[in-house]
Amino acid sequence: LAKTTQPISMDSYEGQEVNITCSHNNIATNDYITWYQQFPSQGPRFIIQGYKTKVTNEVASLFIPADRKSSTLSLPRVSLSDTAVYYCLVGDIPRDDKIIFGKGTRLHILP
Amino acid sequence: GAVVSQHPSRVICKSGTSVKIECRSLDFQATTMFWYRQFPKQSLMLMATSNEGSKATYEQGVEKDKFLINHASLTLSTLTVTSAHPEDSSFYICSASRTSGGGQETQYFGPGTRLLVL
Repeated sequence: LAKTTQPISMDSYEGQEVNITCSHNNIATNDYITWYQQFPSQGPRFIIQGYKTKVTNEVASLFIPADRKSSTLSLPRVSLSDTAVYYCLVGDIPRDDKIIFGKGTRLHILP
Repeated sequence: GAVVSQHPSRVICKSGTSVKIECRSLDFQATTMFWYRQFPKQSLMLMATSNEGSKATYEQGVEKDKFLINHASLTLSTLTVTSAHPEDSSFYICSASRTSGGGQETQYFGPGTRLLVL
């Protein structure tokens, strides 16, 4: 299982674009990169998943460089409701059969 | 799609009693479900991996006789905390794996169950 490293916390302001970078130097060939968002007292919510280059959906973009040793979650024009903990996970279910959560990034959006 | 539910959302029980938590995948079948525990201000800690029709695989340090897991169908897994003690008070979260169109499996999480043991 690839270990991930993220900033412990980040602050930003409403309306700004927020980029959270995750390092995963030991990522394996079959591993995908998945990001989750968690609010207090709720289960994590799937945000986006990717393997390489760029993935975009209605809520975020995920940028993955060619070496795949890192990835960046981009949240466009954040609002106060984006204040949450964001987790970057790397793994390959079912080969790994489980995914281990790191400490995540606590994002605080200011008015 | 990919909705996972948990029941109950919150439970308070007396020390020594047992509590059962249900995890259901509502709109997909999940051969693999996972159970996590999360303490305040901490990350999720994987407790066990539950496969339909077979025994669960527990993480190191998790007592299988205390945390009974039953994955009886492709849409239901249950976690029973037996003889609960105050130190078992925590936020329990399940997840279910769903295969995407591209073949990659993704975990989708339930809303969690808050357990308070008095």
